[in-house]
Amino acid sequence: GENVEQHPSTLSVQEGDSAVIKCTYSDSASNYFPWYKQELGKRPQLIIDIRSNVGEKKDQRIAVTLNKTAKHFSLHITETQPEDSAVYFCAASGSNDYKLSFGAGTTVTVRA
Amino acid sequence: DTAVSQTPKYLVTQMGNDKSIKCEQNLGHDTMYWYKQDSKKFLKIMFSYNNKELIINETVPNRFSPKSPDKAHLNLHINSLELGDSAVYFCASSQAGTGGGTEAFFGQGTRLTVV
Repeated sequence: GENVEQHPSTLSVQEGDSAVIKCTYSDSASNYFPWYKQELGKRPQLIIDIRSNVGEKKDQRIAVTLNKTAKHFSLHITETQPEDSAVYFCAASGSNDYKLSFGAGTTVTVRA
Repeated sequence: DTAVSQTPKYLVTQMGNDKSIKCEQNLGHDTMYWYKQDSKKFLKIMFSYNNKELIINETVPNRFSPKSPDKAHLNLHINSLELGDSAVYFCASSQAGTGGGTEAFFGQGTRLTVV
């Protein structure tokens, strides 16, 4: 089955700096890569996703890149703000699949 | 107007008891899921249903029995609860399987504590 690894497990950044989280996946058939943000005590919520036919996607301060050859994808948050503090999860899903395989999560703390 | 709602939000119970968690989605989605989030925050799929049909049972003990009476509901019944079952259980739904690139929407979670 799919195995998703995520690094780092914790990340502390100064407000206004950038944050980068990296994930690798094992199944070359995976074609959908969402990123979820989970605030303390809340549900995971989708912040951005990318499909395998696209190499990069951006939404305001958030961007995701995908390298299919190397089987890794990354989340970039620019101009971080205190409200960006949360746990971020990457995930992968294969075509015709009915599940998301999640990475272990990255706890991001933005210092004011 | 909650999209995916599950009840109860908190559940504290003794070992050996049987309990149920209910989930409903009003998004018109065909696919519903149960995920378990352990104390280290790891999210793992337990079950997937598509149009009321079980698609995935991810090696979950048979003390856990999901039931989907219709496309909008997916309930989880747990028999003979054990200490290790303590976790947060999330229900989710998507228009089709996530492999089709459709977003999964999560419920607010049920924090189960077995004492």
